[in-house]
Amino acid sequence: DAGITQSPRYKITETGRQVTLMCHQTWSHSYMFWYRQDLGHGLRLIYYSAAADITDKGEVPDGYVVSRSKTENFPLTLESATRSQTSVYFCASSEVLGGGETQYFGPGTRLLVL
Amino acid sequence: GNSVTQMEGPVTLSEEAFLTINCTYTATGYPSLFWYVQYPGEGLQLLLKATKADDKGSNKGFEATYRKETTSFHLEKGSVQVSDSAVYFCALSIQGAQKLVFGQGTRLTINP
Repeated sequence: DAGITQSPRYKITETGRQVTLMCHQTWSHSYMFWYRQDLGHGLRLIYYSAAADITDKGEVPDGYVVSRSKTENFPLTLESATRSQTSVYFCASSEVLGGGETQYFGPGTRLLVL
Repeated sequence: GNSVTQMEGPVTLSEEAFLTINCTYTATGYPSLFWYVQYPGEGLQLLLKATKADDKGSNKGFEATYRKETTSFHLEKGSVQVSDSAVYFCALSIQGAQKLVFGQGTRLTINP
């Protein structure tokens, strides 16, 4: 099916482990984004990418790494997971037009770090 | 800096009640304004948007008008349904920047 998908949908890991969250979109959108959603904070931008091989930090990038070797994929890696990274993670994508572009969100990955 | 302030929730209403969720913003430049909705267990989806002052966005009976003079984008619906129960996020983006800045979200519960 066309759209934006995330995997896994649920993940439990332990402190110190490396975890990679996957995001895939079928629209060939130029921009992709990673957000985390926490109670009391709304959504906060972690990293974003304007095109393949172009990434930039968002509001809360510490402890995360991203890459974008292909337009359709934008994996997010937690190099050494901490309990404070327990959250729901959303990937999104958008086109580049004249302004006011809609972002399309994936279903989210719920991550628990023990 | 750029920021969005939303009416704090949760908000609980009876079916067919009138809904207003307040949203105000601070922005440099000329923002586009959005309302996104998140149904239980799902990702966010666009509800409506407005890209310039005095524009009105509308969808599924919801409306919001971009008021530059009051820096507001309040969400309204004349008669809510149980199926409108969700979390609503107000957001802005600055022209030329693809990033969205979100408010904290307002949880809406509609009782039958």
